[in-house]
Amino acid sequence: AQRVTQPEKLLSVFKGAPVELKCNYSYSGSPELFWYVQYSRQRLQLLLRHISRESIKGFTADLNKGETSFHLKKPFAQEEDSAMYYCALLRMDSSYKLIFGSGTRLLVRP
Amino acid sequence: DAGITQSPRHKVTETGTPVTLRCHQTENHRYMYWYRQDPGHGLRLIHYSYGVKDTDKGEVSDGYSVSRSKTEDFLLTLESATSSQTSVYFCAATQTAGGVNREQFFGPGTRLTVL
Repeated sequence: AQRVTQPEKLLSVFKGAPVELKCNYSYSGSPELFWYVQYSRQRLQLLLRHISRESIKGFTADLNKGETSFHLKKPFAQEEDSAMYYCALLRMDSSYKLIFGSGTRLLVRP
Repeated sequence: DAGITQSPRHKVTETGTPVTLRCHQTENHRYMYWYRQDPGHGLRLIHYSYGVKDTDKGEVSDGYSVSRSKTEDFLLTLESATSSQTSVYFCAATQTAGGVNREQFFGPGTRLTVL
């Protein structure tokens, strides 16, 4: 079964602390994974995708096929990082559907 | 925002009434999707479209129908609204399904309350 698991509903850290949002997936083929972010009452927007290996707003994520993980990391959290974060897996069939995890709310306290 | 709008943005309705939500895009995306967002569930796919008049079911399609008569519009209909359909509904679209850029762009959402 294709599934994305985000085990933490809420992650609370202090400003300047490191952040790691966990994401594990199950997929029989070669996965294509994304992190989407939703700031308060806004639309979802793409944060980063694993194929581009980019760093956006200081966030990085590495695909670990052995552990089937795609954890999102940032060395020093900022208050403006407070948001809902969704990990998503793209189904590489004719539908190109995204399978989302349940999301993790990141709260960065001053 | 990739030119994706949704209407209405907020709606309150009563159980048993039909409701139609509209998604409109201006970027000629071929693929369009309707999701619902609920706490603890993330986003779940209701229906999607892979072209004009071509639609298919997602994982939570019961009680919903869709139509796409034009590339730019994707309508979601709740045939007889129930309280369990109270949710935030997001429309999304993919610019190119076969290319490298497979990012889905999202609309601003519609908050629906069924009393």
